[in-house]
Amino acid sequence: GESVGLHLPTLSVQEGDNSIINCAYSNSASDYFIWYKQESGKGPQFIIDIRSNMDKRQGQRVTVLLNKTVKHLSLQIAATQPGDSAVYFCAPRSQGNLIFGKGTKLSVKP
Amino acid sequence: KAGVTQTPRYLIKTRGQQVTLSCSPISGHRSVSWYQQTPGQGLQFLFEYFSETQRNKGNFPGRFSGRQFSNSRSEMNVSTLELGDSALYLCASSLRTGVEETQYFGPGTRLLVL
Repeated sequence: GESVGLHLPTLSVQEGDNSIINCAYSNSASDYFIWYKQESGKGPQFIIDIRSNMDKRQGQRVTVLLNKTVKHLSLQIAATQPGDSAVYFCAPRSQGNLIFGKGTKLSVKP
Repeated sequence: KAGVTQTPRYLIKTRGQQVTLSCSPISGHRSVSWYQQTPGQGLQFLFEYFSETQRNKGNFPGRFSGRQFSNSRSEMNVSTLELGDSALYLCASSLRTGVEETQYFGPGTRLLVL
């Protein structure tokens, strides 16, 4: 069945540094991928998405990289800020459903 | 444009009771999905409704059910509550347009079963 894993369950970075959050997925048929950010007490918030026919997409301070060959994607956050502290989920879509991993907790040290 | 709203935000029930949670999607969105989030299992898909029809269902017992109304608002019901049903229940809506189907989440309903 589908499984989604995250290489690092927790990530601690210094304010101003760049952060990289990794995600591995198992279903090669996944055609669409979303990154979500969830702050304590809130629902997941959409950050950025990427289609399977792309390998890179940039947003404001965020970049998602997709490597379909090894079924891996990453979220890069530039100049990480305290407000970026949250749990980050990658969610590949497979057979119409989004599959969420357990998440990576990002802590930003001031 | 208003986001996804969920009511109530917090709920305390006892074992054996039943509960109904409500979700109002973003205006114009016709797809509503429900998820259960717990510390141990993470975000797990319950079901998805589109145009009042259940389109997908996750691996949950029949005690979990849902429905969608003609205005796209959705409700989910859990009967015969168990302690393990304590969780954050999240609703997400989407337009359902082709390949890109971004789901936008509400704040969730936190259910505590005693």
